[in-house]
Amino acid sequence: QKEVEQDPGPLSVPEGAIVSLNCTYSNSAFQYFMWYRQYSRKGPELLMYTYSSGNKEDGRFTAQVDKSSKYISLFIRDSQPSDSATYLCAALSGTYKYIFGTGTRLKVLA
Amino acid sequence: GAVVSQHPSWVICKSGTSVKIECRSLDFQATTMFWYRQFPKQSLMLMATSNEGSKATYEQGVEKDKFLINHASLTLSTLTVTSAHPEDSSFYICSARSRQAYEQYFGPGTRLTVT
Repeated sequence: QKEVEQDPGPLSVPEGAIVSLNCTYSNSAFQYFMWYRQYSRKGPELLMYTYSSGNKEDGRFTAQVDKSSKYISLFIRDSQPSDSATYLCAALSGTYKYIFGTGTRLKVLA
Repeated sequence: GAVVSQHPSWVICKSGTSVKIECRSLDFQATTMFWYRQFPKQSLMLMATSNEGSKATYEQGVEKDKFLINHASLTLSTLTVTSAHPEDSSFYICSARSRQAYEQYFGPGTRLTVT
């Protein structure tokens, strides 16, 4: 079992839809969680980072962590074609070992 | 957000030659830098972690003598691919983290093609 699991997609949604991207993790020692967006042939861009359980909102993006179920989510409101990219979740343990999900490819259709 | 640059963004070299890729943190001090490799439509593969002034820690299966990493200052790390072969062709991405932060910031990546 991978420490961080992520559905590879692709996930196709119409423009304006609310997108839900999810990851599960197995290591209860993970404390910090990050979401990155990666466009083709570019480096990943940090979107959100959260500590422990709870929600964090930034514009159209909301990151959610549920440590009881070891589940992390990224919600994108009013999705745009420019949001089409691969989204990577990442978790960090106290030993500074970052574990990345495999990424979910998102396509927002105009 | 913090900015990390990489140079060059694309390089073509002949088999047997060496290539150096630079990674710079532009607006913060990067106490830790990471080097990743990524194949098309695949996730990131961590190659090595380096702390400023220390030797890099390589992941299992990554050849230390082939992928030389130097983290000489708090803003610069270099990856040298020695005696490159076509199978080394890939997308190489660096990232950096400051001492005070938990998140890491990625550079734009370098596409290496070995002919």
